[in-house]
Amino acid sequence: AQKVTQAQTEISVVEKEDVTLDCVYETRDTTYYLFWYKQPPSGELVFLIRRNSFDEQNEISGRYSWNFQKSTSSFNFTITASQVVDSAVYFCALRGFNKFYFGSGTKLNVKP
Amino acid sequence: GAVVSQHPSRVICKSGTSVKIECRSLDFQATTMFWYRQFPKQSLMLMATSNEGSKATYEQGVEKDKFLINHASLTLSTLTVTSAHPEDSSFYICSASGTGLNTEAFFGQGTRLTVV
Repeated sequence: AQKVTQAQTEISVVEKEDVTLDCVYETRDTTYYLFWYKQPPSGELVFLIRRNSFDEQNEISGRYSWNFQKSTSSFNFTITASQVVDSAVYFCALRGFNKFYFGSGTKLNVKP
Repeated sequence: GAVVSQHPSRVICKSGTSVKIECRSLDFQATTMFWYRQFPKQSLMLMATSNEGSKATYEQGVEKDKFLINHASLTLSTLTVTSAHPEDSSFYICSASGTGLNTEAFFGQGTRLTVV
């Protein structure tokens, strides 16, 4: 079965704090892709990152970083020095054959 | 990233009428389009997957006669909510993707449907 779990429903931090959003996935596929999307209050989903199952190298993009660990089936997302504009709902997703599986999302509130 | 345009962004319709939502990929050929429904504070619920030129594949529990999906070209898919009722009020989101596992899906802006 394909499944994505985001156990954190909502997180609140104060601006400039670091925050990590957890994502755990289940799949029987040996080849798969993992994604993170951001959904601001406007509703549109914004693509953040794609990672294939053979590449466990961590990635950093500005204040964003991702930690992919196949051993624990996790693909966690860290925002360093959070800003108010980071407030949104973040979705982790798994792409299987012709279908995306989304986690339930984590709502991040960054307070000034 | 690629641009997916969804129209309209908001629509209010009377109960019993039908509403069509368009999803266009503006700068790439979308071999696959996904239609999602999102309830307040919840995740995206996949309604159906459509491949260009083929009939859509509906998820379990989604009425295909109520939610008509057409994907006649590589740049356009439409979702028609037929005989809409207040319980159909929701946020509908389309996404477009190329073939292959390594292609991300690009999302439209979403359509807020309110049935009165």
